[in-house]
Amino acid sequence: DIQMTQSPSSLSAPVLGTVTVTCRASQSISAYLNWYQHKPGEAPKLLIFTASTLQSGVPSRFSGGGSGTDFTLTISSLQPEDSATYFCQQSYSTPYTFGQGTKLEIQ
Amino acid sequence: QAHLAQSGAEVKKPGASVRVSCKASGYIFEAYDINWLRQAPGQGLEWMGWLNPKNGNTGYARQFEGRVTVSRDSAKSTVYMDLTGLTSDDTALYYCAGGTEMSSAWDFWGQGTMVTVSS
Repeated sequence: DIQMTQSPSSLSAPVLGTVTVTCRASQSISAYLNWYQHKPGEAPKLLIFTASTLQSGVPSRFSGGGSGTDFTLTISSLQPEDSATYFCQQSYSTPYTFGQGTKLEIQ
Repeated sequence: QAHLAQSGAEVKKPGASVRVSCKASGYIFEAYDINWLRQAPGQGLEWMGWLNPKNGNTGYARQFEGRVTVSRDSAKSTVYMDLTGLTSDDTALYYCAGGTEMSSAWDFWGQGTMVTVSS
């Protein structure tokens, strides 16, 4: 199985700030990497698929990059509603696997 | 707009089985694969398996092989996930999910079904 290692596990940033979350795969997954936002009591929300494609309706301050084994999610101009847990998911091969998540607090 | 509605919370005893349903609406049922995932308390997400509603083909994560079965009733636009041999480790929030752009990137989800296994 492909292992996904995500960092940091938590971070805090001010409104209008910028944060970057990283995700590393245990083997090359090309660009088959997706990012989700998960808030308590809600289903996860797809933000980015195939590493850098913004899902319809997601604000452009969310961006993704990387290929092979190393990937990033960057959120700029942070808003209070961005407070959530973010996690990556590889869609290269089954079983699809996830990073452990990054809890983002907006100060 | 694609929508998935899951069945309600379940409480089961160890050794029992559970069936969770996932009713699709707002799109042609056969259009998108349906995946099942779960999240145990304090843990990350875990993918369990998928089903192609058009032909009924399925695939499962190795750790669930022999215990999980995903099926569908096309007349009811509903996908089912059956899990047998429940233990306390199966206590989790179970989700069904599908992807409109990519079958393995899920942009529509059910609301989640809490399954609690307790003696």
